Amino acid sequence: DAGITQSPRYKITETGRQVTLMCHQTWSHSYMFWYRQDLGHGLRLIYYSAAADITDKGEVPDGYVVSRSKTENFPLTLESATRSQTSVYFCASRSDRDLGYTFGSGTRLTVV
Amino acid sequence: SQQGEEDPQALSIQEGENATMNCSYKTSINNLQWYRQNSGRGLVHLILIRSNEREKHSGRLRVTLDTSKKSSSLLITASRAADTASYFCATAGTYKYIFGTGTRLKVLA
Repeated sequence: DAGITQSPRYKITETGRQVTLMCHQTWSHSYMFWYRQDLGHGLRLIYYSAAADITDKGEVPDGYVVSRSKTENFPLTLESATRSQTSVYFCASRSDRDLGYTFGSGTRLTVV
Repeated sequence: SQQGEEDPQALSIQEGENATMNCSYKTSINNLQWYRQNSGRGLVHLILIRSNEREKHSGRLRVTLDTSKKSSSLLITASRAADTASYFCATAGTYKYIFGTGTRLKVLA
């Protein structure tokens, strides 16, 4: 199916573990983004990418790593998960021409 | 820090009434967008207004932008129960957007 998909939908992990959240889009959009959503903070930008092999930090990048070896994939890795990283994570993409974002359905991550 | 701040934080209205929510921002923008988020779902793009536009319509949505006051408003006319959601404004400088904290709208049937 065309679209932007995130996996897993739900994840529980332990403090200190590495966890990777996946994001895949089928439109070949140039731009991709990772946000986290927390009560009282709205959505905060973690990392973004303007094209394959081009990534940059957003507002809250500490503790996260991204890569973009292929245009369609933009995985987000928590190298050593902490409880403060418990959140809902959204991936989004945008084409060069259309300024609106398309969001995935989110990954609810709980770090215990 | 947030660029956009929505007001009110929560709004409850009767079906058929109009709903107005506001967004204030701090720095110059290229465009401003509004998104809707239903509970447990991702955000959905509703409408975009460019910095040189003052008003834009899309179906039951009307967006205004006042760059001198650094503010925007979203009006939903003749609201329906299905409009119950959170609404976010997003301000764009270049190609990354900064989202506000949202307005939670509840439309009572």
